[in-house]
Amino acid sequence: KQEVTQIPAALSVPEGENLVLNCSFTDSAIYNLQWFRQDPGKGLTSLLLIQSSQREQTSGRLNASLDKSSGRSTLYIAASQPGDSATYLCAEYGQNFVFGPGTRLSVLP
Amino acid sequence: DAGITQSPRHKVTETGTPVTLRCHQTENHRYMYWYRQDPGHGLRLIHYSYGVKDTDKGEVSDGYSVSRSKTEDFLLTLESATSSQTSVYFCAISDPGQAIYEQYFGPGTRLTVT
Repeated sequence: KQEVTQIPAALSVPEGENLVLNCSFTDSAIYNLQWFRQDPGKGLTSLLLIQSSQREQTSGRLNASLDKSSGRSTLYIAASQPGDSATYLCAEYGQNFVFGPGTRLSVLP
Repeated sequence: DAGITQSPRHKVTETGTPVTLRCHQTENHRYMYWYRQDPGHGLRLIHYSYGVKDTDKGEVSDGYSVSRSKTEDFLLTLESATSSQTSVYFCAISDPGQAIYEQYFGPGTRLTVT
């Protein structure tokens, strides 16, 4: 059974810090990996998608990497801001989409 | 934002009553999904559809049925609602035509079964 884990479960940082969120998956036949943001009471917003043939994707202050051999992806957020506070989820797509439990991020002013 | 709407957005119903949730998309994406999100369990796939009238079960399909008679609409039915089906339900879409399968989510429906 495919499994996805995320570490840490929660993270609190002061504004301006660079930070890394981690995602681990067990599916060796991953097709792509997608990072989402979820604000309280809202749906999921797609941030970045990395195809299995790619190593990383960048969008603004966000950079996501993928290492299929180790079953890991990281989301790097540069110069964090209070508006970045949200829960971040990763999902791997192999046979189906499997989601991690999320990392709850708080960026303090 | 992808054109995905869900209705109703909030619903309170009694145990044993049937409930239908609707997902509507304007993106003409081929694949549609229903998930439920619960504390401690994360997002779990209930059913998905890979085309009109083509559906399949996900991880937690017991007690749920789906129908898709048009590309734009995907219905989730709880035949006889139970308290364990109290949850937030999300619809999502993706399009394999681009060979990327990026998923886009709707705003969710909060269902409470009393």
